[in-house]
Order: sequence, then C-alpha cells, then structure tokens
Amino acid sequence: ETGVTQTPRHLVMGMTNKKSLKCEQHLGHNAMYWYKQSAKKPLELMFVYSLEERVENNSVPSRFSPECPNSSHLFLHLHTLQPEDSALYLCASSLAGVAPLHFGNGTRLTVT
Amino acid sequence: GENVEQHPSTLSVQEGDSAVIKCTYSDSASNYFPWYKQELGKRPQLIIDIRSNVGEKKDQRIAVTLNKTAKHFSLHITETQPEDSAVYFCAAGSSNDYKLSFGAGTTVTVRA
Repeated sequence: ETGVTQTPRHLVMGMTNKKSLKCEQHLGHNAMYWYKQSAKKPLELMFVYSLEERVENNSVPSRFSPECPNSSHLFLHLHTLQPEDSALYLCASSLAGVAPLHFGNGTRLTVT
Repeated sequence: GENVEQHPSTLSVQEGDSAVIKCTYSDSASNYFPWYKQELGKRPQLIIDIRSNVGEKKDQRIAVTLNKTAKHFSLHITETQPEDSAVYFCAAGSSNDYKLSFGAGTTVTVRA
C-alpha cells in the first residue's frame, strides 16, 4: 500500500487522443506534484499544487493540463501529445513545503 | 534555478563491498537533500535525507554526508547486498519553495 495511487498503470494513446491520468493520496498531505521521468534524465517537475492552488508550472506545454479538485486528488489531462511525450509520469504528495515526497507507482505513457 | 549533478551514472560492486554516489548542487539556498531508491518497475522511495544543519546522518548500512561549503553530498552504502541493486537519485531543495531538483540517477548493480 503506497499511500499514493495512480491510474492507469499503462496508457497507449495516439497523437489525436484525449486522455487523463489520475492520482489519489491517502496520507493527509496538502501538496501534490506531477513529475515526468524519461530514461537517463533527471526527474522533471511539471506542476505543483499546494492547498489546491497551482504554485508551479514549470514551462510545460499546454497539451498537458493539470487539475486539482481537492487536496487528495490530482489529474493530468492530455491532448494532442507528441511521441517525445512518452515517459513515466509520476505523481507525488507531501506536506506543504519541502518535505519527503511520497511517489505513486507512475503511469507508463506511450504516444504512437 | 537549482542544478544537481550526480556521479557516477552506473556503478557495479561486488557483494559485501561499499558503494559511494556523489552529488553536487548549485544553489546555496538549498537546505534539504533526500536520496531516493527506485527498483525496476517501481516507484522512487525515500531511503534517507539530510538537512543542512547536520553534516552526516546514518541509518544502518546507509549514510549520507553533506559539505555545504563545497556544495556536495554523498550516499554511502556499506556491506552491499543484491537487494541494493536499483537506481538511486539524489535531490536538493529549499524550505522556501516546493521544488526538489533531482540528479540523473545512478544505476547500482551488486554482483553476487
């Protein structure tokens, strides 16, 4: 039991599709994050929500659209993605501020 | 922003030997330095962290050292075991914001 649950685990989508990634945390945290993990690269921070307010948008293309309806749920809406967007997308949560991040198992995304 | 360099990118050690991974950071405001372990197909998990008010921290076979003047920190694993085989990530962040900057990772292989 990880405390941070991501669905789906795997996703294959075409460049014209629209899909959403879901993250849910059961740890009582108040900050949630999306990270992109590509092979041989550092984890790239995409978005941060603290107390349901977006506090970081790290120059991410508009084809990625986050949504945080409450402190336990985080979504990443995807549309018109490119093959280079194929990666592992990790959700994480923490108490607000820099504190240990708790990661989910990730969604392995393949864009064809 | 913060830039974290991690070396080596791959490390192979004989079971029972020690493994050392080194990271450097650029932002002198960084004061929180966690290390994450990611086994194949699994989520990154925090294994140890250190804050800038201490120079060393140990937890059983794992230790982390921090040199604030030189802006580098290291992970030491002693008496390595096959289950230590994984990718290890260092990170650096500041208590003033929500961001953690990650190194590119070190793939550690422990040979039996």
